Amino acid sequence: AQSVAQPEDQVNVAEGNPLTVKCTYSVSGNPYLFWYVQYPNRGLQFLLKYITGDNLVKGSYGFEAEFNKSQTSFHLKKPSALVSDSALYFCAVREYNFNKFYFGSGTKLNVKP
Amino acid sequence: GAVVSQHPSWVICKSGTSVKIECRSLDFQATTMFWYRQFPKQSLMLMATSNEGSKATYEQGVEKDKFLINHASLTLSTLTVTSAHPEDSSFYICSARDSRLPSFYEQYFGPGTRLTVT
Repeated sequence: AQSVAQPEDQVNVAEGNPLTVKCTYSVSGNPYLFWYVQYPNRGLQFLLKYITGDNLVKGSYGFEAEFNKSQTSFHLKKPSALVSDSALYFCAVREYNFNKFYFGSGTKLNVKP
Repeated sequence: GAVVSQHPSWVICKSGTSVKIECRSLDFQATTMFWYRQFPKQSLMLMATSNEGSKATYEQGVEKDKFLINHASLTLSTLTVTSAHPEDSSFYICSARDSRLPSFYEQYFGPGTRLTVT
């Protein structure tokens, strides 16, 4: 069965500091991994994805994520946080040949000035 | 590109009435669309997969007769909440996959519809 875990409900970081939002996954085959961001009362915006290739994936707004197969993790990172990055972040996994996405529980990122 | 719209963005209805929510892919064709439900401060729960020209596939525990899905064209899927009750109040989000792109590409999400049943 496919599943995604985001162990932190909330992450607090000061503006200008690096941020990490954690995600671990479980799939039976090769995973397709995604990060999305959601602002209040809005839909989800795509940030980045890992399909294959380089384990470090760069995405929108300066975000990047590192795929670690041995640890089954796909943590989201940014070198320098902005107050405007404050939002709800979702990790999602899709298994090859299946349409459905499985979402983590979400992590609320708070960036304080 | 890759814009998905939803209409209405919010709706208030009385208990017992039906409400229709539209999901449109504005600049791409989508043979497959997805409907999610999101409770406050919670993750997205996949309700059903909508397939153009065929019946939707519902997730376990989702009532087919209550949440009617119609995917009549390559750019439009509708979700009708029938005989709505206050417990149906939620944020409903649709997403779509661009049919021209390989299957591993991301889904594009609509802005969501806030349904309140009084």
